[in-house]
Amino acid sequence: AQSVTQPDIHITVSEGASLELRCNYSYGATPYLFWYVQSPGQGLQLLLKYFSGDTLVQGIKGFEAEFKRSQSSFNLRKPSVHWSDAAEYFCAYFSSGSARQLTFGSGTQLTVLP
Amino acid sequence: DAGITQSPRHKVTETGTPVTLRCHQTENHRYMYWYRQDPGHGLRLIHYSYGVKDTDKGEVSDGYSVSRSKTEDFLLTLESATSSQTSVYFCAIGVAGGGLYNEQFFGPGTRLTVL
Repeated sequence: AQSVTQPDIHITVSEGASLELRCNYSYGATPYLFWYVQSPGQGLQLLLKYFSGDTLVQGIKGFEAEFKRSQSSFNLRKPSVHWSDAAEYFCAYFSSGSARQLTFGSGTQLTVLP
Repeated sequence: DAGITQSPRHKVTETGTPVTLRCHQTENHRYMYWYRQDPGHGLRLIHYSYGVKDTDKGEVSDGYSVSRSKTEDFLLTLESATSSQTSVYFCAIGVAGGGLYNEQFFGPGTRLTVL
């Protein structure tokens, strides 16, 4: 079955440090992949998306993600984390079936230390 | 701002009572979705709609029904609420992005507690 896995439930980094959040997918065809961020008590905001083409995609807030087909991964990165980046991050893929739905990973909670 | 509102934003109810959550969009997007968010599960699709009176089930639809009598409103009903339906509920709209793809924008969520 198609699925998205985020292996890290919780990650803690110091402000200014680099960040990498992992996402692995299980999907036969080339997937449409997304990263969303959810700040406490808020809805979800799209950070970036990958459809095809260049495997390194840039998003908002200084985030980027790299699609690696050989590793079935779509990891999210940021070179220098800010305290405001503390949030929960969700990886998702889009299914172009009748529902045209998103399937989400279980999320990674990011804590940023001062 | 995708123009999505959800009401109520918070609700506490008792087991066995019916509950209806409302999602309203200010545009005329065809696709609308209801997800629930639970710790350790991310967001899971409950029901979706692809037009007025056109709805279908998602992966966690048991105990829920939906209705869409107008393009702008998508209602989620818990016929008889149970404690397992305590969750945060998100509505989303699908904005056509070309081909079969739509980009989803999410509402602010409704926190439902069933005692």
